[in-house]
Amino acid sequence: GAVVSQHPSRVICKSGTSVKIECRSLDFQATTMFWYRQFPKQSLMLMATSNEGSKATYEQGVEKDKFLINHASLTLSTLTVTSAHPEDSSFYICSAWRAGTYEQYFGPGTRLTVT
Amino acid sequence: KNQVEQSPQSLIILEGKNCTLQCNYTVSPFSNLRWYKQDTGRGPVSLTIMTFSENTKSNGRYTATLDADTKQSSLHITASQLSDSASYICVVSVRAGGTSYGKLTFGQGTILTVHP
Repeated sequence: GAVVSQHPSRVICKSGTSVKIECRSLDFQATTMFWYRQFPKQSLMLMATSNEGSKATYEQGVEKDKFLINHASLTLSTLTVTSAHPEDSSFYICSAWRAGTYEQYFGPGTRLTVT
Repeated sequence: KNQVEQSPQSLIILEGKNCTLQCNYTVSPFSNLRWYKQDTGRGPVSLTIMTFSENTKSNGRYTATLDADTKQSSLHITASQLSDSASYICVVSVRAGGTSYGKLTFGQGTILTVHP
């Protein structure tokens, strides 16, 4: 299957700082990528849909000014958590949609811990 | 409201045994149903994808079934291995207006533990 990478895999930051997470589609061009958040023992929750060259579409209840998404190229989307707080600590997972198929390929996830 | 419910919540089996996981959904308009395997601390990995017209699909020791009339799916794991220990997530894709990728509705997952 296709490979989607995320960087970093783990990050610890102090409250009030910003953290950027990268999501890369390594072997296909992805016009659409997705960002999910997963709390312990819960399922993935869609945060936003990232479209190359246009603004992201955020799900209800997700603050677009706090979770900045940039999809500047067909292989890279970034999620920046601004002014992070401990309640933002979570597992963030991206996925990339391969056009012409039903497939969404998920990245390995990024564990964010805000102290 | 689109929902996906899985059962059981957790399951413990002995290595070598078979097991079946269940998924019921109320999702409309239905596009396709997927089963993913998620290891702890990792992203989900696709096992099978089935559209409305497909009622069974296999991937190695994994066999998924779909009954679109009753809106039920199952995932059967044959000859379980220790590495099968993971969360298995049923995901239903809704046809999203104006897009081709669909919007995913996730079940809560079944946590499978395989003991030696």
